[in-house]
Amino acid sequence: DAGVIQSPRHEVTEMGQEVTLRCKPISGHDYLFWYRQTMMRGLELLIYFNNNVPIDDSGMPEDRFSAKMPNASFSTLKIQPSEPRDSAVYFCASGGSGANVLTFGAGSRLTVL
Amino acid sequence: AQTVTQSQPEMSVQEAETVTLSCTYDTSESDYYLFWYKQPPSRQMILVIRQEAYKQQNATENRFSVNFQKAAKSFSLKISDSQLGDAAMYFCAYRSGREYGNKLVFGAGTILRVKS
Repeated sequence: DAGVIQSPRHEVTEMGQEVTLRCKPISGHDYLFWYRQTMMRGLELLIYFNNNVPIDDSGMPEDRFSAKMPNASFSTLKIQPSEPRDSAVYFCASGGSGANVLTFGAGSRLTVL
Repeated sequence: AQTVTQSQPEMSVQEAETVTLSCTYDTSESDYYLFWYKQPPSRQMILVIRQEAYKQQNATENRFSVNFQKAAKSFSLKISDSQLGDAAMYFCAYRSGREYGNKLVFGAGTILRVKS
């Protein structure tokens, strides 16, 4: 098992550009989470899915952020247009209904200039 | 809403010594789970230990153990025989027992420095 796979590991972009972060959860996990980590706000839950359906997106900061999960093995988090305050590390994590453990990916560090 | 508080922004420990990281939480629920995650400089989030609230016995994983005080809503992590590789940010996290998907609420984290 390769774990939760995120790409890219690092992204540097200019303000106004579209950013797409990708995640492949662990096979068999039916829950997928997107977290954002910043120095000021720590780890915040942005959105999570169950069986590819968004369950709670109350943490998504604003309309510039969107997330999709077209199938059980892939999810994207998109920011359009990006702003410098979006600079953070974005984590994807997956978990199974029957387990009590959340497995995190290595994170995507986003820098918006 | 549940909250998790880690009151120690930073801690230091000498190699081979013992250190305790503090965590308190606020909840009105009786069924929940608590976790400690480690984040080394690689930024990978690694599960260290977990505790089910219904279990009175404190969880232990090798050199890592917890002191779970349910009435006081306290969940501290003890690291024995500290090693240089233990240096990391440590996060305490809470999960409601009603949440089947492991939705976690995190504390602000404690940076642990290990001195040789």
